[in-house]
Amino acid sequence: QSVLTQPPSVSGAPGQRVTISCTGSSSNIGTGYDVFWYQQLPGTAPKLLFYGNNNRPSGVPDRFSGSKSGTSASLAITGLQAEDEADYFCQSYDSSLSGNWVFGGGTKLTVL
Amino acid sequence: QVTLKESGPALVKPTQTLTLTCTFSGFSLSTSGMRVSWIRQPSGKALEWLARIDWDDDKFYSTSLKTRLSISKDTSKNQVVLTMTNMDPVDTATYYCARMGSSTSAYYFDYWGQGTLVTVSS
Repeated sequence: QSVLTQPPSVSGAPGQRVTISCTGSSSNIGTGYDVFWYQQLPGTAPKLLFYGNNNRPSGVPDRFSGSKSGTSASLAITGLQAEDEADYFCQSYDSSLSGNWVFGGGTKLTVL
Repeated sequence: QVTLKESGPALVKPTQTLTLTCTFSGFSLSTSGMRVSWIRQPSGKALEWLARIDWDDDKFYSTSLKTRLSISKDTSKNQVVLTMTNMDPVDTATYYCARMGSSTSAYYFDYWGQGTLVTVSS
């Protein structure tokens, strides 16, 4: 059971917009800690998609955007492309676990 | 260019101690603000943070695993070593090392190694 909760799967057709939610609690996202997102293509290591306040590493297209409200965060992907099919993980910090960096369970995005 | 690479045994027996090495380039762990973590991922499952070591040799461990973990660094070799004692089949996973960056309120993992698969079986 992950500290951050994500839907196991989402899907969308090419060109569509999809969102992936990440629900936490008052000891992590709700405290105001930033939420970060990672993309993991099949058989590869996770890759940072987002850091800080809507900052994208170089090379990450602006089709990817993030938001946060209360104890939840969301990743939105617009103009869905086949190459976006991957697992997506959210990550934050939890102050109740003596300094643990916590991840969501991951969401499998399928491009139909 | 920042790169990290994990190395270690692919197979360990139950009760044995696992030792993994992360060899990195493109930054120095003697530089103020640098941090490296270990993270693991069982096949098809979520990521789990394990341990972190900082440039000043501060060390942090997962609450649930801290009695079994030890992290150290060799700055001259650009390496970070993780040991995990009393290995069990449930510890079978891909183990990653990652450099940590910082935002205004939290740390994140900005560069990852390719991962190394460790299987625990007799």
